[in-house]
Amino acid sequence: NAGVMQNPRHLVRRRGQEARLRCSPMKGHSHVYWYRQLPEEGLKFMVYLQKENIIDESGMPKERFSAEFPKEGPSILRIQQVVRGDSAAYFCASSPLTGGSYEQYFGPGTRLTVT
Amino acid sequence: AQSVAQPEDQVNVAEGNPLTVKCTYSVSGNPYLFWYVQYPNRGLQFLLKYITGDNLVKGSYGFEAEFNKSQTSFHLKKPSALVSDSALYFCAVRDGGGATNKLIFGTGTLLAVQP
Repeated sequence: NAGVMQNPRHLVRRRGQEARLRCSPMKGHSHVYWYRQLPEEGLKFMVYLQKENIIDESGMPKERFSAEFPKEGPSILRIQQVVRGDSAAYFCASSPLTGGSYEQYFGPGTRLTVT
Repeated sequence: AQSVAQPEDQVNVAEGNPLTVKCTYSVSGNPYLFWYVQYPNRGLQFLLKYITGDNLVKGSYGFEAEFNKSQTSFHLKKPSALVSDSALYFCAVRDGGGATNKLIFGTGTLLAVQP
C-alpha cells in the first residue's frame, strides 16, 4: 500500500515564477491537508480539502496561494509569483473518509527554494 | 483556540536510559492528541494517538504516551532509548471545530540519544 506521494521532492524557483506542488493521497483516503514548515519551526496548517471541495483554508495566505483536489488526479498547491519568504518545506497529509481514526499520514514533502 | 506546548527544545539522554518528551495541551472539549516523529529531510511519521480510553497509549517503535487530564499533559515515553531514536518529535492536537479536521502542532523537541 503506497503511502502519500509528493512531487517534486525539491523545487527551485526564481522570484516571480510559479510553483506547483503535487500530492497523491494514500489509497482509499479522500481527505487531503497541506502544511508548511519554515526553517527551524513546526508545521503550520494551510488548507484542508476533500474531492472537489475546500473545507478549511484558514491557514492559506490571502494572496498568491491556491489549492485544489480535483475529482481525478492529485491535489495541487499552487504558489504564484513566489518570493524568498515562500522558501520552506511543504507537506501533504491524507486521512480516510470514515472510521474515526483522525490521524493523518504525511508525505515526504516538497522543499521549495526561491532564489 | 486549541494549542499544544512542548517546553523543551532539546532532550539529551544516554542510550539504554528511559526518555520522556513533554507536551501540554489546551483545548475546549475532549482532546484528540498525537505524537509524530520527523527524521532529517523526511516527512512526519505517526507514532501514536489518544482519542479515548486507557490513559497509557502504546505506539510504534516501543514508544508510549501517558494522557493526564488533570495536568493537561500527554508526555511521550520510552523505557530504553536507542541511538536510532534521535530525531525531531512533534506533539499535535486535532482542531475539530466546525467542519475542519486540522492538526495543531507544537514547536518540536529534538531528541538526542548518545551512545
